[in-house]
Amino acid sequence: NAGVTQTPKFRILKIGQSMTLQCAQDMNHNYMYWYRQDPGMGLKLIYYSVGAGITDKGEVPNGYNVSRSTTEYFPLRLELAAPSQTSVYFCASIGTSGDNEQFFGPGTRLTVL
Amino acid sequence: QKEVEQNSGPLSVPEGAIASLNCTYSDRGSQSFFWYRQYSGKSPELIMFIYSNGDKEDGRFTAQLNKASQYVSLLIRDSQPSDSATYLCAVRDYGGATNKLIFGTGTLLAVQP
Repeated sequence: NAGVTQTPKFRILKIGQSMTLQCAQDMNHNYMYWYRQDPGMGLKLIYYSVGAGITDKGEVPNGYNVSRSTTEYFPLRLELAAPSQTSVYFCASIGTSGDNEQFFGPGTRLTVL
Repeated sequence: QKEVEQNSGPLSVPEGAIASLNCTYSDRGSQSFFWYRQYSGKSPELIMFIYSNGDKEDGRFTAQLNKASQYVSLLIRDSQPSDSATYLCAVRDYGGATNKLIFGTGTLLAVQP
């Protein structure tokens, strides 16, 4: 299994540009999450999904959108990028409600200039 | 607002010593607690989880939970330079079957050779 994969690894955006961060998992996990991590800070939940077709906002959803049309993919869309969205973005997944470990992808380092 | 608090550190210990990392949480109803380790530039990885009051040992790591005082700690015995990382405390948000985790800001541990 590849686990949780994310692309791209790095990206520089100009203010006002848009992009999609890709996340895929091959473990047939129902639950998927998008976090952002600012320097020296913990992880803040942006959006999450409990299954295909079901998404909900986390703690810091403004400026982002998600979709979950299949179990495997959970892309995160940034519209009108702002410098405040400069961060490292992690995608994670977990199988069922009784599981303990969230598996994290390698992260995408995004800079908005 | 459910919160998880950690001292950001850095916590510096000599090689071979015991490192003690602490975490407090605000939601008295929380049931599940996790410690993740994050090396610089990498994604978090699960070290331990604990549900019950008391101690849970796994190799050189011991997690301690005191629900009455709302704190959870991680002890690392015989600390090694390879243990130098940021340690993130996380609490499962039990509201709804979402498996969401609330993370602290992390404690940076530096083990001096």
